[in-house]
Amino acid sequence: GAGVSQSPSNKVTEKGKDVELRCDPISGHTALYWYRQSLGQGLEFLIYFQGNSAPDKSGLPSDRFSAERTGGSVSTLTIQRTQQEDSAVYLCASSTGVTQPQHFGDGTRLSIL
Amino acid sequence: QKEVEQNSGPLSVPEGAIASLNCTYSDRGSQSFFWYRQYSGKSPELIMSIYSNGDKEDGRFTAQLNKASQYVSLLIRDSQPSDSATYLCALPRGSSASKIIFGSGTRLSIRP
Repeated sequence: GAGVSQSPSNKVTEKGKDVELRCDPISGHTALYWYRQSLGQGLEFLIYFQGNSAPDKSGLPSDRFSAERTGGSVSTLTIQRTQQEDSAVYLCASSTGVTQPQHFGDGTRLSIL
Repeated sequence: QKEVEQNSGPLSVPEGAIASLNCTYSDRGSQSFFWYRQYSGKSPELIMSIYSNGDKEDGRFTAQLNKASQYVSLLIRDSQPSDSATYLCALPRGSSASKIIFGSGTRLSIRP
């Protein structure tokens, strides 16, 4: 079956521009996560959606970052007024519940010039 | 103490030997434990889940869980060069977990 799909796979943009990253989770997965991974570093948790509950936004690094999940399925991570330190791979994962293993997409590699 | 701790490595193991990767955690309420493998430039992929004390075997991989001592290990038998990757330990935070916590990973290198 289809796995977690992320788009675009690569994004290059100028400092100060807004970007939108998309994640389409595995069908039926109620939990959706966003992570950020800088080169050579570990996974940095950003935000977590579980069903219709309020999202856990505790990992968002600043108010320039926001995320939505519409209809309990597709999620969009938006970064406003991008900075060079936002350059990283943004990974999305989904699972059937928080205590269940996560399945990752291939990520979006974001480069801010 | 970090919630999930792993030795960053690199851990160098000769081909054909057993690679042993360890992870310790601080929350005694944790019930589920996962090992992920991440190749350079790729996203993490799940290789093992373990929920009960003891050993769980899957092919060349064995996960070992000791809740009393709060550690979980991953053994890789007959190590191959293709096993060279970073291995991440992950677990839900607490009995009323709201998210998965990942360790920073151990980089494993299998030398021919």
